Amino acid sequence: ETGVTQTPRHLVMGMTNKKSLKCEQHLGHNAMYWYKQSAKKPLELMFVYNFKEQTENNSVPSRFSPECPNSSHLFLHLHTLQPEDSALYLCASSQAAGVGEKLFFGSGTQLSVL
Amino acid sequence: QQQVKQSPQSLIVQKGGISIINCAYENTAFDYFPWYQQFPGKGPALLIAIRPDVSEKKEGRFTISFNKSAKQFSLHIMDSQPGDSATYFCAASRNTGNQFYFGTGTSLTVIP
Repeated sequence: ETGVTQTPRHLVMGMTNKKSLKCEQHLGHNAMYWYKQSAKKPLELMFVYNFKEQTENNSVPSRFSPECPNSSHLFLHLHTLQPEDSALYLCASSQAAGVGEKLFFGSGTQLSVL
Repeated sequence: QQQVKQSPQSLIVQKGGISIINCAYENTAFDYFPWYQQFPGKGPALLIAIRPDVSEKKEGRFTISFNKSAKQFSLHIMDSQPGDSATYFCAASRNTGNQFYFGTGTSLTVIP
C-alpha cells in the first residue's frame, strides 16, 4: 500500500475512554503532522515531527498526546476528551518539515466524543 | 486571528463554466501559496502552488493568479467539470517554520 494510511477511519468514544489514532506513511518521508479539521474552520496544525523529533506543538491540550516511534509511524493518544474535540483528525507527511514542502494527507479519522 | 481568509464558502457552477475562489492574507512574510483539493471521505491533496515571484501559474485547467501588492491570490478552474466538485482550501506559509495557514475552504459543486 502506498501513501498515508490512517486507522481507524471512524471512532466513537466516551469522555472517560482512552484511545489511539494511528498513522503510517509509505513514502519515505521524514516529517509527519497531525491536523484537526472542523466544519467551516481552517485546518488546525496540532503537532509536527521532523526526523522523529517534535518541532511544533500548537498549544494543544494535554489530553492529546502524540508519539512518533520512527519516521514512518505517528500516533495520537487520546484521553478524557471533550465533545468539542469531535472532528476529523488528519495525518500528513512531507519529505522534511519546511517551506514549500508538499503535504501528503491521509483520509483521516472521524472522531465523535459522546 | 485568521491568517488566511477564503471566499466564497460555497460555489455552484454550470458545467463548462469558470470557478473562481479567492483568498487574502496579511502576513507579508508568507512566500508559498498552495491550493488543496479535498473529496468527501478523503484527505486534502495538493492541486497547484505558487510563489510570489510570479503573478500567475497554470496547470491544465487550473490557474493561480497572485497579486502581491493586494495580498490576494485566487484559483481559477476553467471548463469546470462535475468531477471538480470538491472542497478547495488555500494556504500560505512563510520562509521559516513548519506552519501552513489554511483558509476555511470552499465547497464547489459543478452541475451538469
